[in-house]
Amino acid sequence: EEQLVESGGGPAKPGGSRRLSCAASGFNFRNYAMNWVRQAPGKGLEWVSSISSGSSYVYYADSVKGRFTISRDNAKNSLYLQMNSLRAEDTAVYYCARDWHGLDVWGQGTTVTVSS
Amino acid sequence: DIQMTQSPSSLSASVGDRVTITCQASQDIGKYLNWYQQKPGKAPKLLIYDASNLETGVPSRFSGRGSGTHFTFTISSLQPEDIATYYCLQYDSVPPYTFGLGTKLELK
Repeated sequence: EEQLVESGGGPAKPGGSRRLSCAASGFNFRNYAMNWVRQAPGKGLEWVSSISSGSSYVYYADSVKGRFTISRDNAKNSLYLQMNSLRAEDTAVYYCARDWHGLDVWGQGTTVTVSS
Repeated sequence: DIQMTQSPSSLSASVGDRVTITCQASQDIGKYLNWYQQKPGKAPKLLIYDASNLETGVPSRFSGRGSGTHFTFTISSLQPEDIATYYCLQYDSVPPYTFGLGTKLELK
């Protein structure tokens, strides 16, 4: 079964940092671009960042550019999101999602709460 | 960036009803559009990809149509387990991926 499992969520203070991880299983992780998508409480879905299969290309939403860094380790079948300079508006459930015909496989999400 | 206008934002229907949701793209996206179902506290689930292709395992009462800028998603006979929020997603011109704002489907 193709599966993605996020971890690393939790509380953070404004200006603080948090590192999210996403563990992939059941498919050949190194063949796929990957993404992070977030959902603020009671709101819709917002694409955050993408990384190509070999890490050559990375992209960010304007709302996180310069603060968040996406990376991956194909040997460990893992995707990461380093979040720095966190703001209250970064509070959300963060999902990792596989890039195939759009976003096909999603993890269950991990919650980040930014509050003083 | 491509904008996706999804309507309605909410919808109340009865079991057995035919339900239709639309998404309008701000420019031609071909057939690069997906539909997702999201239940409270759960991740989005892919139902339809490439505008009209049913994802494996998804009931045939779900369908999608359209190309270019106008897309529709239909539930032919609403079931109680279909109560959820539905989103469209364009992936023609990425990044950024852009989602519709969602349609909250409730039982009448």
